[in-house]
This record gives sequence, structure tokens and C-alpha cells, in this order.
Amino acid sequence: NAGVTQTPKFRILKIGQSMTLQCAQDMNHNYMYWYRQDPGMGLKLIYYSVGAGITDKGEVPNGYNVSRSTTEDFPLRLELAAPSQTSVYFCASKPTPSLEQYFGPGTRLTVT
Amino acid sequence: SQELEQSPQSLIVQEGKNLTINCTSSKTLYGLYWYKQKYGEGLIFLMMLQKGGEEKSHEKITAKLDEKKQQSSLHITASQPSHAGIYLCGADKSGTQGGSEKLVFGKGTKLTVNP
Repeated sequence: NAGVTQTPKFRILKIGQSMTLQCAQDMNHNYMYWYRQDPGMGLKLIYYSVGAGITDKGEVPNGYNVSRSTTEDFPLRLELAAPSQTSVYFCASKPTPSLEQYFGPGTRLTVT
Repeated sequence: SQELEQSPQSLIVQEGKNLTINCTSSKTLYGLYWYKQKYGEGLIFLMMLQKGGEEKSHEKITAKLDEKKQQSSLHITASQPSHAGIYLCGADKSGTQGGSEKLVFGKGTKLTVNP
């Protein structure tokens, strides 16, 4: 199993550009998550999904959108990139509420 | 909802020394997770604790959940440079039994181990 994969690893965007961060898992997990990690601030939940077709907002959803058309994929869309979205983004998944989350390697995004 | 505070924020130790990282919650902890992150990489799951008084060990790392279930500690014995990284605790956000689809995380403890 590849586990949780994320692409790209690095990206530089100009202010106002759009992009999609890709996340895929091959473990048939129902629950998937997007976090952002800023220095010294831990992880903040952006959006999450409890199954295909179901998504919900986390703590910091503004400026982002998600979709979950399949169990495997959970892309994160940035429509109008802003410098405040410079961060490291992690995708995670887990099979049930009571088990641990599995994390992808992250995408380092810089908006200038 | 659950809030987690980790201490210390950063720690520098000499190789071979023991150390402890704490994670304190504002509510009873029903599921507590410890993760390790190396710079530029994702989070690696270390251990999960669910019951008051529970203790788990893996190699030289031991995690405990206190009886009152509002604090967890992560203890590393005879630290090595390979232990260096950021340690994060996470807990079920709802603060109730049965698990939660969402986790809340502490801000992390940065560990440096000097050879």
C-alpha cells in the first residue's frame, strides 16, 4: 500500500492564482482530513470528510474548498491565493473514529 | 471543545539523557495520540492511549495517560539523535467516549538531541 499520497510536494503561487492540492489514499478509509501547519502553531483543521459525497468545515475553512467524489481522493482547492495561505498542508485519513490518523508527506505552499 | 497544551515548547538534551514531554487537556481525555514529525516530513503515529493509567512503550519511548485522564506524558530513555523532531499530541475533539471524527492537536514540542 502507498498509504496517503500528496502532490505536489512544493509549490509557489502568485497572489490571486488558483491551484488544487491532491490527496489520495489506498486504504479504503472513510475519514479524510486537510490540515495546515504554521510554524509553532500545531495543526489546524481546514476541512474533513466522513465518506464519499460528504464534506464539512473545520476550524479554518475560509479561502478553501474541497470535494469527495470517491473514497480514495480528497482534493483541496485554493481559489484566490493569498499570502496568509503560505503554509504546509497535510492530508490524513483513518478508517474509524476511534483509530489513529495516517498522514501524507505534506505540500509546502508559498504565496508571494 | 478540547484544548491541548504541550510543555515544554522546545527541549535540547545531550545524547543519552532522559526526557519527558507533557500534554495537558482542558477536558477528560478519551483518546490521546502521540505523533512524531521530522522536519519537512509528515507525521508518524507513535502511540494511542485510551484508558486512565494506561502505559505503552515502543523501543525507548513510553507514553502514559494519568488516572484522571487529563494529562499524558511521553518519556524518552537514553535519547539518541534519531529521536530529534517535533512531538505532537492529539485528542478526540469532542472530549467524549466512543471516539470522534475530528482531532485537536497541541502546538508541538521541538526536541533537539546533541551528540
